[in-house]
Amino acid sequence: NAGVTQTPKFQVLKTGQSMTLQCAQDMNHEYMSWYRQDPGMGLRLIHYSVGAGITDQGEVPNGYNVSRSTTEDFPLRLLSAAPSQTSVYFCASVGRGAGNTIYFGEGSWLTVV
Amino acid sequence: AQTVTQSQPEMSVQEAETVTLSCTYDTSESDYYLFWYKQPPSRQMILVIRQEAYKQQNATENRFSVNFQKAAKSFSLKISDSQLGDAAMYFCAYRRAGANSKLTFGKGITLSVRP
Repeated sequence: NAGVTQTPKFQVLKTGQSMTLQCAQDMNHEYMSWYRQDPGMGLRLIHYSVGAGITDQGEVPNGYNVSRSTTEDFPLRLLSAAPSQTSVYFCASVGRGAGNTIYFGEGSWLTVV
Repeated sequence: AQTVTQSQPEMSVQEAETVTLSCTYDTSESDYYLFWYKQPPSRQMILVIRQEAYKQQNATENRFSVNFQKAAKSFSLKISDSQLGDAAMYFCAYRRAGANSKLTFGKGITLSVRP
């Protein structure tokens, strides 16, 4: 089925550990992005990419790295996890055109202890 | 920078009644898109309705309609004949026209539906 696939769905990390949240889409979308959702804060943009080899920072990029080596994949890396990174993470993708439907992954629940 | 404001953190409505969720935004652009997303407890993000700024006619999707006031930069969502399944968090979002522009969300509003 077409869509955005996020893995893992749940993860518990210890402070200082590293991990990668995976995001893949099979719709040949150029634009992909990562958001974090915290209570009372809505969804905040972490990083985004407008195509393979192109990434840029969003509203809250500190502590996160991204890369876009292929159109399909847009992984989010936490190099040294901190309790402040406990959140729900969403990956989203959309085709060219601002009015196009935006597809979201199902979310990844991350807890840093 | 564009901002989206949802000033009401919570609202409640009686089943079968009508409720309006408020949203304001700030932008210097003239061409853009506005969205309402629903997020049930499953956390899935579901598109409810979309409005193109260049269209004066308010968008409608079944029981959901918007009141789009471009000059006032207001974009409210009206839910008619509220159902228990409408209980969720609702997010207002903005996206500038043009390829690959960012999507900006408000902080969301939690809607509860009383049986």
